[in-house]
Amino acid sequence: SQQGEEDPQALSIQEGENATMNCSYKTSINNLQWYRQNSGRGLVHLILIRSNEREKHSGRLRVTLDTSKKSSSLLITASRAADTASYFCATAAEPWGGATNKLIFGTGTLLAVQP
Amino acid sequence: DAGVIQSPRHEVTEMGQEVTLRCKPISGHDYLFWYRQTMMRGLELLIYFNNNVPIDDSGMPEDRFSAKMPNASFSTLKIQPSEPRDSAVYFCASSWGQGAYEQYFGPGTRLTVT
Repeated sequence: SQQGEEDPQALSIQEGENATMNCSYKTSINNLQWYRQNSGRGLVHLILIRSNEREKHSGRLRVTLDTSKKSSSLLITASRAADTASYFCATAAEPWGGATNKLIFGTGTLLAVQP
Repeated sequence: DAGVIQSPRHEVTEMGQEVTLRCKPISGHDYLFWYRQTMMRGLELLIYFNNNVPIDDSGMPEDRFSAKMPNASFSTLKIQPSEPRDSAVYFCASSWGQGAYEQYFGPGTRLTVT
């Protein structure tokens, strides 16, 4: 079963606007990651936020994490047409009985940025 | 670095045939993952290896699927016999170090079983 559920499933905005995507998950996590997938390509890692962090920035990306609500958001500021892609959150479960490298991916948000 | 390499990029085969997908991870990475992506089920982890040893194969759908990693620079995912419901994009990814850090994905193999 998938750990993360993204919202919205699809988002269409104009170039220059901000895009916000949300991810909810079910169990305790060690970290949460966001990935981008362009059509017909593999996933590309964007940012990782650990369970003891609340906010992280990378360029035009801002990620927040609320472990009490089991949710995260990805904000892309000043969007560009090149940001058009699917965005996925991935959670790494809190390890028990040893570390795990397993990631569970969400359902993804399809972002379309209109020029 | 060339990144994760997968071959073939596209595979079309008939039901019942054997299919072998190949992956070369990034040099120095000690974890290798196989995923399957479909519209219906999203991105699913099939199996992952650490230092060439399978660690978790709980996502392998059935006995028709098998994966091997004979050395640090090569892995295969085999489906025998293939069925139309196996049609999907199969991704290989690699990472370094214990703990769930960022994974580097290959371009994928689009498999169509007719």
